[in-house]
Amino acid sequence: DAGVTQSPTHLIKTRGQQVTLRCSPKSGHDTVSWYQQALGQGPQFIFQYYEEEERQRGNFPDRFSGHQFPNYSSELNVNALLLGDSALYLCASSRTGRSIEAFFGQGTRLTVV
Amino acid sequence: QQQVKQSPQSLIVQKGGISIINCAYENTAFDYFPWYQQFPGKGPALLIAIRPDVSEKKEGRFTISFNKSAKQFSLHIMDSQPGDSATYFCAARGASNTGKLIFGQGTTLQVKP
Repeated sequence: DAGVTQSPTHLIKTRGQQVTLRCSPKSGHDTVSWYQQALGQGPQFIFQYYEEEERQRGNFPDRFSGHQFPNYSSELNVNALLLGDSALYLCASSRTGRSIEAFFGQGTRLTVV
Repeated sequence: QQQVKQSPQSLIVQKGGISIINCAYENTAFDYFPWYQQFPGKGPALLIAIRPDVSEKKEGRFTISFNKSAKQFSLHIMDSQPGDSATYFCAARGASNTGKLIFGQGTTLQVKP
């Protein structure tokens, strides 16, 4: 079992650019959540996808959007990047209706310059 | 009401000692309380979790103590080892099936040999 995999592991972007991060959930999981973790802070919930729809959203602007594909993998898109978007972006997968445990990937370190 | 407060921010323990990290919450609708361990540059790894109908859960050297009336829970690491040196996060999940986790601010644990 490969667990939750994210790509890329590191990324450097310029202010104003757009970025797409990718996540493949753990085998058997159908729900993907995205979190932003600033340096020295706990992860903050961005949104969650289930059955290819956004099911819940945290306090993040519309510049943050996502998508879930039929194979349950997911993308996080961030438009008009700001310096403050620099963070570790984490993907967590879980299985709705069964075990509520959430497993995280290794994250994507995004640096905006 | 959606916050989870974690203390201490940092902790230094001698090898073989007991590490104790505390968390408090306000929202009585939370129904699942996991602890995550995170090493630098890695994603959080699920360590142990508890539901509010149980007062204590033990897995190896890790124990969660849960006090529902006080709305507090804590992680005890017995016989702490240098390999336990990491950042620990408590979290709480709302009473829904969406799996959104609210994290504490984290505790950096250093176990001295």
